Amino acid sequence: AQSVAQPEDQVNVAEGNPLTVKCTYSVSGNPYLFWYVQYPNRGLQFLLKYITGDNLVKGSYGFEAEFNKSQTSFHLKKPSALVSDSALYFCAVRDQILTGGGNKLTFGTGTQLKVEL
Amino acid sequence: NAGVTQTPKFRVLKTGQSMTLLCAQDMNHEYMYWYRQDPGMGLRLIHYSVGEGTTAKGEVPDGYNVSRLKKQNFLLGLESAAPSQTSVYFCASRERDRVTGELFFGEGSRLTVL
Repeated sequence: AQSVAQPEDQVNVAEGNPLTVKCTYSVSGNPYLFWYVQYPNRGLQFLLKYITGDNLVKGSYGFEAEFNKSQTSFHLKKPSALVSDSALYFCAVRDQILTGGGNKLTFGTGTQLKVEL
Repeated sequence: NAGVTQTPKFRVLKTGQSMTLLCAQDMNHEYMYWYRQDPGMGLRLIHYSVGEGTTAKGEVPDGYNVSRLKKQNFLLGLESAAPSQTSVYFCASRERDRVTGELFFGEGSRLTVL
């Protein structure tokens, strides 16, 4: 089965500084990778995905992610953090095709991002 | 734009009681999913549906049942609640033809079983 790992439970960043939230993956075949964000008491929202092509993927709210095949990583980045970016971030990988169609996403355990003034 | 709506948002049950969580989506999505979210464990797939009238087990289906009688609704039932089912439950949906398309999530239903 495919898997992702988020090695940091929490990341603290000062507003205006660059941020990185780490994700590594383990897949057989080509990886389809995703980042989702969860604000307090809300559902997850899609940020961006890597399917193929450029290793730098741009997404919502100024976020981007860098796919690195040799390091099996898909780190989420933002050049200048905002207090409003404080949330729980999940990395996910497309896992097996489910019976009847569709595919299953396997999520990481999440990283809490805290951006302070 | 309602998107994915879950009801109820909060519920407290006693061990052995039953209840149903309702998920409704207005995007005409074929695929619907029920996940549970527990601290330090990410999201785990309980059951899913690839179309009206079809359901299938995910990775943690025990103790839950589901039904998809109408395309827009996906119900998650607990027949005899246990404290281990205390969790936040999320429903999600997505389009059929986009294999790599994103999931759209509801805001969650927080269930406490005493």
